[in-house]
Amino acid sequence: RKEVEQDPGPFNVPEGATVAFNCTYSNSASQSFFWYRQDCRKEPKLLMSVYSSGNEDGRFTAQLNRASQYISLLIRDSKLSDSATYLCVPKGGYQKVTFGTGTKLQVIP
Amino acid sequence: DTGVSQDPRHKITKRGQNVTFRCDPISEHNRLYWYRQTLGQGPEFLTYFQNEAQLEKSRLLSDRFSAERPKGSFSTLEIQRTEQGDSAMYLCASSSRVGSGDEQFFGPGTRLTVL
Repeated sequence: RKEVEQDPGPFNVPEGATVAFNCTYSNSASQSFFWYRQDCRKEPKLLMSVYSSGNEDGRFTAQLNRASQYISLLIRDSKLSDSATYLCVPKGGYQKVTFGTGTKLQVIP
Repeated sequence: DTGVSQDPRHKITKRGQNVTFRCDPISEHNRLYWYRQTLGQGPEFLTYFQNEAQLEKSRLLSDRFSAERPKGSFSTLEIQRTEQGDSAMYLCASSSRVGSGDEQFFGPGTRLTVL
């Protein structure tokens, strides 16, 4: 099993739609979780951190399910500017960090 | 701008040449990471420093790769005898465990093309 698994997509959704991505991880010792957003040919930028069961920031909600070892990202009222690749990062107590391959989102007018 | 900076932004080299990249982290961050990213993939971890100590190194990092952070501030990544397979974006990130929860902040990357 891969350390981090994400559906690569692409997810093509209309403006205003709600879309959700899942990310599964294999290391049960992971303690903190991050979602990054990466635009084409740019560096990843931190979107959200998740330390307990979840986190919400405006239109973005992240949920953590430790029992099933997955985290999800929900985007409500999608904007054209949300088009990007979303990377999932579980982080354990050690410092090696494994990124998922990312899920590509394309919001369509 | 007080973010992570990387130099150069682009590097084109011929196979067999040596290249060196530099990363300047956010000034108060004591942790520094190097990653490599190819098209369609997420960043792959290469190595990690806490202050000047290199604490972890990926098996992806062959003996042609070396990284240093001599004074616990900026870091360099050197690739010797480059190969075409080394063509990728090389990303640097920094973090600080204090307060921020160890979120990593990335620099703009150095795009390497090996001809």
